[in-house]
Parts: sequence; structure tokens; C-alpha cells
Amino acid sequence: QVQLVESGGGVVQPGKSLRLSCAASGFTFGSHAMHWVRQAPVKGLEWLAIISYDGSQRYYADSVKGRFTISRDNSKNTLFLQMNSLRDEDTAVYYCVRGGNSVDDYWGQGTLVTVSS
Amino acid sequence: DIVMTQSPDSLAVSLGERATINCKSSQNVLSKSNNKNYLAWYQQKPGQPPKVLIYWASTRESGVPDRFSGSGSGTDFTLTISSLQAEDVAVYYCQQHYTTQRTFGQGTKLEIK
Repeated sequence: QVQLVESGGGVVQPGKSLRLSCAASGFTFGSHAMHWVRQAPVKGLEWLAIISYDGSQRYYADSVKGRFTISRDNSKNTLFLQMNSLRDEDTAVYYCVRGGNSVDDYWGQGTLVTVSS
Repeated sequence: DIVMTQSPDSLAVSLGERATINCKSSQNVLSKSNNKNYLAWYQQKPGQPPKVLIYWASTRESGVPDRFSGSGSGTDFTLTISSLQAEDVAVYYCQQHYTTQRTFGQGTKLEIK
């Protein structure tokens, strides 16, 4: 079955960096676009970034453009999110999501990032 | 960016009654090339990630009970739960995937009256 497992979250000081990973299994990872979506505490869902199946195209939300970088390693079935210059407002649960032709269907359980001094 | 606006923000419905959630997009999400609306509905229960309920505005995801239905086209969409069950208590989100940069509605919290 499809599994997406995020890791790398934790507590980080403002201005610092963090790298999230998402290990995928149960499907052909290299055939799917992938997304990162976050959810701040008691808030709604915010789409952050998408990377094409082969990594050749990447798009970002304005709120993270220039600070966050999405990437992937298809040989290791892993998605990444490099987060630089972190701010208090980046505190959230970060989800990786499998892109689909008809719908973005599978979500991981998420990893919590807390930005605090 | 396409802005998605849901109404109401919260809703309390009696068990067995109908629940209706609306979603309006700031731009058309109907594709002329395939006549499909790029609109999905997700359900999120506390402590869990979102789960797909509906895609193409009205296609139910496999395994989703048939009390859930989606309708609408262009810019105006509706999620209907025909007979509310206790396990339907959740926050519901609409999402457009017409553009590469996805956007979600702000969410509608559904509770039991």
C-alpha cells in the first residue's frame, strides 16, 4: 500500500535551517509529481511547493519562494524540503502529498516543525 | 493565485440530517479541453492528515460512503452529506488543482447539533 513517511521536524531557532524528508513506498515514486503542504496550529491547509515526477520543474507558494527548496531523489524514493531563514510563522505540521492526474491523493502523517527562540 | 472561499466557516447539524458546504473559486476551474472541474474535497479528522472524498467536483473516491456527494461547475461548488453520521465530524476543505500552484479553502468545521 502507498506509504509516505515524513521526518526531520523539530525545534529550530528563527533564522536557522531545517531539511525535511519524505520516504515513499508502495508505488512508483518516479512516476508522480509530489507536493509539500503545511498546517499551522489550529489553522487550515497551505500548499507550499510541487516538484514534477523527474524533478525538472518546481513551483512554490509566494510565502516560501526564495527560502524553501523542494527536491527529490528518485533512486531513493525520497522527497525533500530544504527550509532556510525560518520564521515563527513557519511553525506547522508539514505533509508530503502524492500528486495524481485526477487528484492529489495520498498524504503522509506529517512532521512538526516548531520555530522558536 | 486562485482564491478558494468556503461557507460557512462552521456548521452544526443533527444526526441524520443533511449538511451542505459551499466553495467558491475566484477563477473558473473548469477545463475546456476535457470538460472537467479541477476541484476536490478533503475531510480532516483531529490528529489525522486530510483524506480525499471527492475529485473532479463530483467523483467519489473509492471507499467513500455514498452519503457524500459533490456538485457544481466553473466557480461554485457544493459538498453535501445526505444523512450526517457521528463519524462525519471533521473539518472539510475544498482544493483547486486547475493550476500547478494548488490552493485550499479555509475549511469548514462540521459538528453535531
